[in-house]
Amino acid sequence: KAGVTQTPRYLIKTRGQQVTLSCSPISGHRSVSWYQQTPGQGLQFLFEYFSETQRNKGNFPGRFSGRQFSNSRSEMNVSTLELGDSALYLCASSLAGGGNEKLFFGSGTQLSVL
Amino acid sequence: AQSVTQLDSQVPVFEEAPVELRCNYSSSVSVYLFWYVQYPNQGLQLLLKYLSGSTLVKGINGFEAEFNKSQTSFHLRKPSVHISDTAEYFCAVSGSGYSTLTFGKGTMLLVSP
Repeated sequence: KAGVTQTPRYLIKTRGQQVTLSCSPISGHRSVSWYQQTPGQGLQFLFEYFSETQRNKGNFPGRFSGRQFSNSRSEMNVSTLELGDSALYLCASSLAGGGNEKLFFGSGTQLSVL
Repeated sequence: AQSVTQLDSQVPVFEEAPVELRCNYSSSVSVYLFWYVQYPNQGLQLLLKYLSGSTLVKGINGFEAEFNKSQTSFHLRKPSVHISDTAEYFCAVSGSGYSTLTFGKGTMLLVSP
């Protein structure tokens, strides 16, 4: 089985631009979560999608948004980029998104905002 | 609200020595507890999880962890580490609802020969 695939692997953007990151979950997994990882704040939860519906959202500004498609693939979008948005963005999938489930993580997208 | 404290940001250890990585959590409800490992330039991989039952949990790569409810701790141990165990280790908690993980800041395990 293929693992969680995130594209692109690296991105360089300038302040004010917007960016879209993509995540393909493991086949059969219907829950996709997104996390932001920075040296200062560590790993922080962004949002979780299940069957195309956002079920949970972390404490991030509205510039951060996401969606999930009928095939469970997910995208997250960051508009009006700020320097502080530079981070590793990790996507994780699981079967149904229950609190007791193992999450399978992708390798992440490293976003640099200049 | 839930929180996780990993008491050591870095733990240096020699190869074949035992190691313990400490984790304390805070939650007003019952939680599930996890340890994930992150190798350089990779995503996170589950080492082990505690859901209920036996408080000693065994995971992959020879790691184990013990859940202590009275001390709200979930420390990770390995009796003999290898160079290949050099990585960052994250303790995490989630509630009984959705799989939203609250992570600790991580502990970098540095194994030297």
